[in-house]
Amino acid sequence: DTGVSQNPRHKITKRGQNVTFRCDPISEHNRLYWYRQTLGQGPEFLTYFQNEAQLEKSRLLSDRFSAERPKGSFSTLEIQRTEQGDSAMYLCASSLQGSQPQHFGDGTRLSIL
Amino acid sequence: TQLLEQSPQFLSIQEGENLTVYCNSSSVFSSLQWYRQEPGEGPVLLVTVVTGGEVKKLKRLTFQFGDARKDSSLHITAAQPGDTGLYLCAGDYNTDKLIFGTGTRLQVFP
Repeated sequence: DTGVSQNPRHKITKRGQNVTFRCDPISEHNRLYWYRQTLGQGPEFLTYFQNEAQLEKSRLLSDRFSAERPKGSFSTLEIQRTEQGDSAMYLCASSLQGSQPQHFGDGTRLSIL
Repeated sequence: TQLLEQSPQFLSIQEGENLTVYCNSSSVFSSLQWYRQEPGEGPVLLVTVVTGGEVKKLKRLTFQFGDARKDSSLHITAAQPGDTGLYLCAGDYNTDKLIFGTGTRLQVFP
């Protein structure tokens, strides 16, 4: 059990660029979650997957955001045409199944110049 | 809309002191988790409580779940500098996603 792995750890980009983050969950965990955390706040839910199916998306997830989990293992979160307000820590978590404790990765910190 | 309030927001104490952090909601939790987060890292799960009135202990940390499953507390005995961090409670309202409180930032001075 190597834990939840996220890449990259840090991403600095100019406004308007596209960025993609990757999350590798704990193996055999069926549930994968994405959260966003801004400075001084707790994480906020963005979306989650049961295997490869995306089951819920938050209103925070605008049309510029898309998440995939094509083979039910790793997941990617893409942000198109980044804006300054997208600057945050993007956290991924996984759990064995619904209603089980979620285990978090160390996040990807996104900074928009 | 579920709202999860944590208090206090900040806590600065000397090594050896005791402290309690509170987490309150207007809605009933299916379960509640407590996490600790250090700068630049993700939240690390400390405990999950499920049953109303439940008490769990993790070394010097004692977690309590309210009888009505709307509130929880974290008590730390004889705090140490290594306890410094952001403590987050997160509620599961039977919706498969966690709602987090704003956190309590604890600083323990030697």
